[in-house]
Amino acid sequence: EIVMTQSPATLSVSPGERATLSCRASQSVNNYLAWYQHKPGQAPRLLIYGASTRATGIPARFSGSGSATEFTLTISSLQSEDFAVYFCQQYYNWPRTFGQGTKVEVK
Amino acid sequence: EVQLVESGGGLVKPGGSLRLSCAASGFTFSTYSMNWVRQAPEKGLEWVSSISPTTTYIYYADSVKGRFTISRDNAKNSLYLQMDSLRAEDTAVYYCASGGPSDYWGQGTLVTVSS
Repeated sequence: EIVMTQSPATLSVSPGERATLSCRASQSVNNYLAWYQHKPGQAPRLLIYGASTRATGIPARFSGSGSATEFTLTISSLQSEDFAVYFCQQYYNWPRTFGQGTKVEVK
Repeated sequence: EVQLVESGGGLVKPGGSLRLSCAASGFTFSTYSMNWVRQAPEKGLEWVSSISPTTTYIYYADSVKGRFTISRDNAKNSLYLQMDSLRAEDTAVYYCASGGPSDYWGQGTLVTVSS
């Protein structure tokens, strides 16, 4: 099983600031890496797939980068609607595995 | 508009069974792999099971293997999860989600396993 490790667990950021979230895989996932945003009581939303491709309708302030085992999600200028929990997921191998999540909260 | 609507959750005693359903609309269901993902209280997302478009390939997390059965009916645009021998640790919100990676998700249905 590929273990996904996200850091930090919580990120305190002021609106308008940049947020950088990390995700590490225990072995290469060959860029089969997705990022999701999840708000309480809502369905998760796909942000990024293929490590760096924005999903349909996702604003340009969200960007993904990285390869193999090290990945980053960057939110260039946090908006009020961006405060949420973010999960990475590898879809390279079975079982599919998620990171434990990074909560982005208001500083 | 794409919609995934889960149903069938509820309160069940340990050892009991439940069958979750997911009704899909707004996309060509029969061409998508489908997934069940769950989130236990105060925990992260956990992938549960996946099924390919024509059921050729089915996968389960080790935590549910032998107890849960995923299935689909493409004629009815529906996905199912039969959950048997339920345990307290199966308590979670269960989401159905399409594709890999999952671009569409339902709102989830709550399963509570408690005596």
